[in-house]
Amino acid sequence: DAMVIQNPRYQVTQFGKPVTLSCSQTLNHNVMYWYQQKSSQAPKLLFHYYDKDFNNEADTPDNFQSRRPNTSFCFLDIRSPGLGDAAMYLCATSSDRRGSDTEAFFGQGTRLTVV
Amino acid sequence: SQQGEEDPQALSIQEGENATMNCSYKTSINNLQWYRQNSGRGLVHLILIRSNEREKHSGRLRVTLDTSKKSSSLLITASRAADTASYFCATDATGSARQLTFGSGTQLTVLP
Repeated sequence: DAMVIQNPRYQVTQFGKPVTLSCSQTLNHNVMYWYQQKSSQAPKLLFHYYDKDFNNEADTPDNFQSRRPNTSFCFLDIRSPGLGDAAMYLCATSSDRRGSDTEAFFGQGTRLTVV
Repeated sequence: SQQGEEDPQALSIQEGENATMNCSYKTSINNLQWYRQNSGRGLVHLILIRSNEREKHSGRLRVTLDTSKKSSSLLITASRAADTASYFCATDATGSARQLTFGSGTQLTVLP
């Protein structure tokens, strides 16, 4: 059973048109991450939630926002997508609730195309 | 920003040979993790090594960690064509609320 689910798998949006990517998890993990990955590059951390605390990376553009309404769901909002925002967006979760750290579990990603 | 660098960037070997990939990082860590990514897919966790551990094994994988040098290596023994993928190290930095940042990755090709 899929544990971290990203929808949709493929998203096409118009230049400048707001778009939202979604992620849900069935693991009850307290940490959720959003990464941007461009072709042949490493995943780049955009931001992450530790419980309800939002942690933004210093170099994440203001164009990218996130919401986490509850433990299970997390959203990535791109307010005005540019051509340079075309990429794979990866959601991941991890947990440290039992005092020991765990690995991150990744979704299959959403590939965003901007036209 | 990326925490670490990996080398080599690309590695091509014959089936049956061993593959070694290295990762260096910059800050103090809680743990270091290795992931595998097949083309166009999500990342799959391979192995996690904590900062107080020096070596860990899992099947054909062997990971070492040298916190004094801020480096780690991943060894895949007796490689198979199915091991062809990108491999990334990721660090969970101390005091970072579980920030997990990735190295630049190694593209491994195992030739049959």
